[in-house]
Amino acid sequence: SQTIHQWPATLVQPVGSPLSLECTVEGTSNPNLYWYRQAAGRGLQLLFYSVGIGQISSEVPQNLSASRPQDRQFILSSKKLLLSDSGFYLCAWNLGPKLFFGSGTQLSVL
Amino acid sequence: GQQLNQSPQSMFIQEGEDVSMNCTSSSIFNTWLWYKQDPGEGPVLLIALYKAGELTSNGRLTAQFGITRKDSFLNISASIPSDVGIYFCAGHYSGNTPLVFGKGTRLSVIA
Repeated sequence: SQTIHQWPATLVQPVGSPLSLECTVEGTSNPNLYWYRQAAGRGLQLLFYSVGIGQISSEVPQNLSASRPQDRQFILSSKKLLLSDSGFYLCAWNLGPKLFFGSGTQLSVL
Repeated sequence: GQQLNQSPQSMFIQEGEDVSMNCTSSSIFNTWLWYKQDPGEGPVLLIALYKAGELTSNGRLTAQFGITRKDSFLNISASIPSDVGIYFCAGHYSGNTPLVFGKGTRLSVIA
C-alpha cells in the first residue's frame, strides 16, 4: 500500500534562516506531488505541484521554492525565512482525483 | 480561476444532532471529494463522488454530487464528540489539474 512521509513534524526557525522540508511517497511510482500551506484555522493554499521529476508548477509567487530530485521525493525550501512563512505545511500525492496528505509540518518563524 | 464556496464557515452543535454543510461552484466538476482534518494533522479523505446525482454513505456520513455538477453536500447524522474538526470540500475537473478546495467548515460538538 502507498504511504507518505513528511518531516519534521514541528520546526522553529529564526527569521532569515534557510528551510528544507522533505516529503517522500512509498508504494507508487510517478505520483503527482503537492505542497500546501495552511494558516492557523484557515483553508489550504496550494503552493507547488509536480507531475514528474524536475517538473515544478508554482501557484503563488513567494519566498519559497520546490524541487523534485527523485520520482517520489518532493522538497520545499527557502533561502531566508520570513515571519509570514509561518504555518502548517502539508505534502500530498494523488491517485486519480483522490488526494492523500502527509501528517504536516508546523513551522514557526520567530 | 475556479473557486468553491463552502458553508457554513463554522458550526456549534449539540452531541446527537445532525449536521449539514455544502459547497457550490461557479463551474462544473467531474469529481467531488470531502475531507476531514483533525487538529495538527493532515486532512483525511472521507467520501469521493464521481457521478452527477450520486449519493454515497460512509457510516454516519452521507454526501451527494449535485445534478448540475456545481455543488455537493455532506451530512453527518447523530454527531459525536470525535466529529470535531474542519471539513473541506474539493472539486476536480480532469487530468493533472489540482483539486480546488473550499475554505472549510469548522465543526464543534458540545457534549
